[in-house]
Amino acid sequence: EAGVAQSPRYKIIEKRQSVAFWCNPISGHATLYWYQQILGQGPKLLIQFQNNGVVDDSQLPKDRFSAERLKGVDSTLKIQPAKLEDSAVYLCASSLVRTSTDTQYFGPGTRLTVL
Amino acid sequence: GQQVMQIPQYQHVQEGEDFTTYCNSSTTLSNIQWYKQRPGGHPVFLIQLVKSGEVKKQKRLTFQFGEAKKNSSLHITATQTTDVGTYFCAGSGFSGGYNKLIFGAGTRLAVHP
Repeated sequence: EAGVAQSPRYKIIEKRQSVAFWCNPISGHATLYWYQQILGQGPKLLIQFQNNGVVDDSQLPKDRFSAERLKGVDSTLKIQPAKLEDSAVYLCASSLVRTSTDTQYFGPGTRLTVL
Repeated sequence: GQQVMQIPQYQHVQEGEDFTTYCNSSTTLSNIQWYKQRPGGHPVFLIQLVKSGEVKKQKRLTFQFGEAKKNSSLHITATQTTDVGTYFCAGSGFSGGYNKLIFGAGTRLAVHP
């Protein structure tokens, strides 16, 4: 079974530029999550999708971050404009269903450096 | 706010020594999950605990969930160099998201041969 795919793996941009990340979850997984992991910290949930609908985006900085999952499969996360403090690893995860006992499977992440 | 605290932040052991990391939640959890992240890697699911007082074992790893479902621990017996990485606990059952996981900051384990 293929895992969660993410691209690019690394991205370096200057502040105020825009950037987009892509995620392809495990086939058949209805729930998709985007996390931000700052160096030395645990992953922090940014947004959670159930199929193509948003379940939780309470910690997404909506003035600069946006995410979509148009057909309920792939997802993109965009930052516009980027700030220095956005430097982090952006992890995508998926789970089969949206229950509190379901396992989340993480992708390899995209390491973003904002200069 | 919703928080999961994890201690210690960092543990340095000699190979063969035991290791324990502790996790505490500000509120009662419906379940707790443990993940391991190797250096440069992504979090990998280890186990989930659901019942009050639950204890589960995976070879040299023992996981416990407190009676009040607000704390948990991971104990590794006789560490090996392959155990190196950061261990995260993640609590679920907080308000605002049925499967929302709140991660602790992790305990980074270094094992010296």
